[in-house]
Amino acid sequence: DQQVKQNSPSLSVQEGRISILNCDYTNSMFDYFLWYKKYPAEGPTFLISISSIKDKNEDGRFTVFLNKSAKHLSLHIVPSQPGDSAVYFCAASAGNQFYFGTGTSLTVIP
Amino acid sequence: EAQVTQNPRYLITVTGKKLTVTCSQNMNHEYMSWYRQDPGLGLRQIYYSMNVEVTDKGDVPEGYKVSRKEKRNFPLILESPSPNQTSLYFCASSLYGRGIFLGNEQFFGPGTRLTVL
Repeated sequence: DQQVKQNSPSLSVQEGRISILNCDYTNSMFDYFLWYKKYPAEGPTFLISISSIKDKNEDGRFTVFLNKSAKHLSLHIVPSQPGDSAVYFCAASAGNQFYFGTGTSLTVIP
Repeated sequence: EAQVTQNPRYLITVTGKKLTVTCSQNMNHEYMSWYRQDPGLGLRQIYYSMNVEVTDKGDVPEGYKVSRKEKRNFPLILESPSPNQTSLYFCASSLYGRGIFLGNEQFFGPGTRLTVL
């Protein structure tokens, strides 16, 4: 049973606009959340993370928001750039195990 | 260059023929892990290791074995591969596996595409 869900398999956004990727989880024991970006034929690369004691974390163009009561997190990319086109995975951890979503393929249109 | 390496990158084998996929990291990381990626299922954790001689099951450990005899290496062993183990496999490592204040982001290898006929 998927404990971390990304319900949008794909997303298209115009260059310069905001991209919002969403992720939902079911396990209330998760206390650390991460976003990874993956290009074809490469391994995922770490993007940004947030612990459960925070509700927002920013790093340059990337911001992650966490809503614990809704068990929902989102990744905002502003402004979106063509190089951001990739598959984005959200992940959550409880203890030493990690659970990943199914990924959202983002296309940024020039 | 800090990296996680996996070998082989591509492998086609037959049912029942034992195989090993190697994984090595040069960052002195304590935590290492194996994942498989399948369409519609995302990445699923197979096994992880907190340190040398310490391994534990992830979400989908059936049909796999691992060992951690040295800090840098974490091989994945399929004793009797079956077609349902056809997948894209990733090895990953991080400084620590736990610690929400320490940054347990994982560094991934390039992947091994395995086909079991």
